[in-house]
Amino acid sequence: EVQLVESGGGLVQPGGSLRLSCAASGFTFSQYSVNWVRQAPGKGLEWISYISSDSSFRYYADSVKGRFTISRDSGKNSLSLQMSRLRAEDTAVYYCARDLCRSGSCYWAFDLWGQGTMVTVSP
Amino acid sequence: SYELTQPPSVSVSPGQTARITCSGDVFPNQFGFWYQQKAGQAPVLVIYKDNERPSGIPDRFSGSSSGTKVTLTISEVQAEDEADYYCQSSDSRNTVVFGGGTKLTVL
Repeated sequence: EVQLVESGGGLVQPGGSLRLSCAASGFTFSQYSVNWVRQAPGKGLEWISYISSDSSFRYYADSVKGRFTISRDSGKNSLSLQMSRLRAEDTAVYYCARDLCRSGSCYWAFDLWGQGTMVTVSP
Repeated sequence: SYELTQPPSVSVSPGQTARITCSGDVFPNQFGFWYQQKAGQAPVLVIYKDNERPSGIPDRFSGSSSGTKVTLTISEVQAEDEADYYCQSSDSRNTVVFGGGTKLTVL
């Protein structure tokens, strides 16, 4: 089955750190760029980070730049997000999402999502 | 960064047509994409490249683009279409932006 499965969420204090993981299966993970997208409780979707298929390019939203680091291990079909200096406003469900590729072209949109993992930043 | 603007809510009766708009200066230079998110679930891509439909998405879902606006149209709306809908695009500064989302209510 083609899927992404996130893990690593939980409760963390402000200023703390947490590492999220995303396990990919059912497709050739090494051929796809992947992203992290989050959704605060009752709010909309917010893209936060991207990593290219070969890890050459990494992009971040301004809201997390300098605090979060995206990485991948294509040998293990896994994606990670190292989060540090966490704030209350980082509380959200975090999704990993695969870039859309069709007919040999890829687009910065997301055709496969995980089920999400909840991160709560609170004292 | 740029913004994508959607109406907060749209309401239609079953069998009617729902249209959800998304406005932004990135259009028409960039493609628009649409996602459906039902309560407690992950988003699902329903339209890509303005008007393409992924496999498995009913043909009641269609997309269009005109000037600085993209539109998601759902024909013959069914109760199961009740969800939040988000538009999305990207820009040359290597960022992705989502619209604020539109809650579709089927009366």
